[in-house]
Amino acid sequence: GAGVSQSPSNKVTEKGKDVELRCDPISGHTALYWYRQSLGQGLEFLIYFQGNSAPDKSGLPSDRFSAERTGGSVSTLTIQRTQQEDSAVYLCASSLSPGLSPYEQYFGPGTRLTVT
Amino acid sequence: GESVGLHLPTLSVQEGDNSIINCAYSNSASDYFIWYKQESGKGPQFIIDIRSNMDKRQGQRVTVLLNKTVKHLSLQIAATQPGDSAVYFCAENNQAGTALIFGKGTTLSVSS
Repeated sequence: GAGVSQSPSNKVTEKGKDVELRCDPISGHTALYWYRQSLGQGLEFLIYFQGNSAPDKSGLPSDRFSAERTGGSVSTLTIQRTQQEDSAVYLCASSLSPGLSPYEQYFGPGTRLTVT
Repeated sequence: GESVGLHLPTLSVQEGDNSIINCAYSNSASDYFIWYKQESGKGPQFIIDIRSNMDKRQGQRVTVLLNKTVKHLSLQIAATQPGDSAVYFCAENNQAGTALIFGKGTTLSVSS
């Protein structure tokens, strides 16, 4: 079946502009995660959605970052007034149910964001 | 704070050798650990996981060892192949149980 898809694959934007990154999780997966990966670094947790529960936003680095998940499926990560330090690969992952195999997360290919 | 680290940023091996990638974690309350493989330009791919009530788990050509006494995790790859060349990350669950905490990664290079 189809895996996690993300769009766009690459995004170049000017400092100060807003960007939206999209994630389509695997159908039927109730949990969705956003991570950020800076060059040569590990993944940094940003936000977690599980069903209709309130999202865990504890990883968002500033109030310029927000995310939503509509209809329990597609998610959009929005970065307002982008800064150069926001340049990174933004990865989305989904999992079937955090209660069963809680952390077998399936990752998308990522969106590479470059802020100039 | 919560963190997961790795001992070596790079590891070079010959094809056919066994590889061992090490990881140290800091949160003794973590109960779930995973190894991911990330090839260039792709998202991380699940390799193998282990719960804290185990000390060893085997998969196909891979074995994960967990030593809770010293908070150490390792991934062993048998008969390493060129296709195993990638960055390997260990990860542990965060305290809230809502996400994973990743280490910085070890780049495995396999030469033929």
